[in-house]
Amino acid sequence: AAGVIQSPRHLIKEKRETATLKCYPIPRHDTVYWYQQGPGQDPQFLISFYEKMQSDKGSIPDRFSAQQFSDYHSELNMSSLELGDSALYFCASSASERDWETQYFGPGTRLLVL
Amino acid sequence: GESVGLHLPTLSVQEGDNSIINCAYSNSASDYFIWYKQESGKGPQFIIDIRSNMDKRQGQRVTVLLNKTVKHLSLQIAATQPGDSAVYFCAETSGGTSYGKLTFGQGTILTVHP
Repeated sequence: AAGVIQSPRHLIKEKRETATLKCYPIPRHDTVYWYQQGPGQDPQFLISFYEKMQSDKGSIPDRFSAQQFSDYHSELNMSSLELGDSALYFCASSASERDWETQYFGPGTRLLVL
Repeated sequence: GESVGLHLPTLSVQEGDNSIINCAYSNSASDYFIWYKQESGKGPQFIIDIRSNMDKRQGQRVTVLLNKTVKHLSLQIAATQPGDSAVYFCAETSGGTSYGKLTFGQGTILTVHP
């Protein structure tokens, strides 16, 4: 079965650079969620989108922004990167019309800020 | 704020034994709970879920128990196998103003010895 696709899988950036993470949800899933997971930590909710509109917002820094496009894929834009932004970034998707609460996670993007 | 946490951060078992992983939550409005399995370098993988109007749900080799009185959740894995070795997270969502946002617990590292 098709799963959530994230790209790139690994990313190395310098401080103060920008990064763009992409997420392609499971086909026919219309809701996308972004989570950040630090080393040895549990995933922390950043932001979510439903039908291209922001549906909820968590502990996302102002330096980060995200959007969902007409094909339901989503991008997380990160600017002025800091060392503390080094983490795993997961995207998850769900289908609002059925079982909307069950989120399926992608493999993640490992971001390293030097 | 509200949180979901785990009693035990590590659990070591022998192959073939049954495993029990526990989770305490504090949000009395939580109405949907999910257990995820996360292997090293991978995204959380859905295992089983349960709604607050249930106290038990069974899957293939897994059972989730919910005790709303004491706000406690457990995951039981029968005949644990080496492939079950991973970090296990409980997560909850309460719908309402937190549409779909998952709050994760600390995570328990399960190690299965052959």
